[in-house]
Amino acid sequence: GAGVSQSPSNKVTEKGKDVELRCDPISGHTALYWYRQSLGQGLEFLIYFQGNSAPDKSGLPSDRFSAERTGGSVSTLTIQRTQQEDSAVYLCASSLGQGGETQYFGPGTRLLVL
Amino acid sequence: GDSVTQMEGPVTLSEEAFLTINCTYTATGYPSLFWYVQYPGEGLQLLLKATKADDKGSNKGFEATYRKETTSFHLEKGSVQVSDSAVYFCALRPYSSASKIIFGSGTRLSIRP
Repeated sequence: GAGVSQSPSNKVTEKGKDVELRCDPISGHTALYWYRQSLGQGLEFLIYFQGNSAPDKSGLPSDRFSAERTGGSVSTLTIQRTQQEDSAVYLCASSLGQGGETQYFGPGTRLLVL
Repeated sequence: GDSVTQMEGPVTLSEEAFLTINCTYTATGYPSLFWYVQYPGEGLQLLLKATKADDKGSNKGFEATYRKETTSFHLEKGSVQVSDSAVYFCALRPYSSASKIIFGSGTRLSIRP
């Protein structure tokens, strides 16, 4: 079946602009996760959704970052007033539930802030 | 806080060589341990996992054993192939968390024919 999909695959933006990144999880997966993969920081957890609520937002680096999930499916990660240090690959993952469930990753969105 | 330290790359080996990628962790309690792999142009995939001490995870000829006494989860393969060329990430899920996974920095592996 279809895996986790993300769009766009690449995004170039100017410093100060807002961007929205989209994640479509595997159908039926109730848990959804956002991670960031950058050169200096490796792979970092950002936020976790169970259904439409986010019980763990501890990885969001600043209040410029926000995420929402609607209908227990699609999620959008929004970065406001982008900065050059936001340049990274943003990865989304989903799992059937939480706890011991395997997380399945999407191909990522490569964001470049000029 | 919890963390993962893995062998820095890049690692270059000849086909059929023995592979070890070292991974150690710092965590409270009993975390679950994982190896993820990222093939060129593809997303992260779970390679293997172990959820308690002395468990051995295995897949595609790769193995790793959860060693509580040395806080290690080294990845091994007896005979690597060109198709194993990828970036390998050691990771843990903290005992206290049902959500986040903490990743190591990744090790790039290249296999020469």
